[in-house]
Amino acid sequence: AQSVAQPEDQVNVAEGNPLTVKCTYSVSGNPYLFWYVQYPNRGLQFLLKYITGDNLVKGSYGFEAEFNKSQTSFHLKKPSALVSDSALYFCAVRSSGGGADGLTFGKGTHLIIQP
Amino acid sequence: EPEVTQTPSHQVTQMGQEVILRCVPISNHLYFYWYRQILGQKVEFLVSFYNNEISEKSEIFDDQFSVERPDGSNFTLKIRSTKLEDSAMYFCAGRAASLVNEQFFGPGTRLTVL
Repeated sequence: AQSVAQPEDQVNVAEGNPLTVKCTYSVSGNPYLFWYVQYPNRGLQFLLKYITGDNLVKGSYGFEAEFNKSQTSFHLKKPSALVSDSALYFCAVRSSGGGADGLTFGKGTHLIIQP
Repeated sequence: EPEVTQTPSHQVTQMGQEVILRCVPISNHLYFYWYRQILGQKVEFLVSFYNNEISEKSEIFDDQFSVERPDGSNFTLKIRSTKLEDSAMYFCAGRAASLVNEQFFGPGTRLTVL
């Protein structure tokens, strides 16, 4: 069975500082990894994904994530946080193999950017 | 930019009643999904649907749930006899053909069972 762990319920960062939201995963075979963001009373918005290739992937709004196979991690990062980045962030995984296609999500991390 | 739409945005129902949640996926998507998010909890996979049949379902998706795509555009989730614990936000999602594609989510339907 696949799983995702987001060890922090909440991350507080001052505006302008770098931010990291942690994610580790467990999956059979090679992973497809995703980050989604959820603003209050809204749906999930895709940020970025890792499929294969370069371990550092870049996505929307200046976010990036680093895939680390040995540590089974896919941490979300941004060099300089904005107040508007405050939201709930979900990491998700699925296996690259055929068959099971549903995403498994972590419990989410509240990111709070303080002015 | 095309979007996934869902109706209604909020549905209130009595325990034991049937509800149908509706979704209009992006037109070139071929794979469709329903997820739910109980308040304050993580998003959970319910079911995936391809070529007019269920391709995968979770243990949450029991006999009370069903999905269909009756007219080639709408994608529906039916709960036959709602329970209090069905209260959640339900998200529809879809993706294009390739396995590497991300899923695009709708805004969700908040279901409240009284």
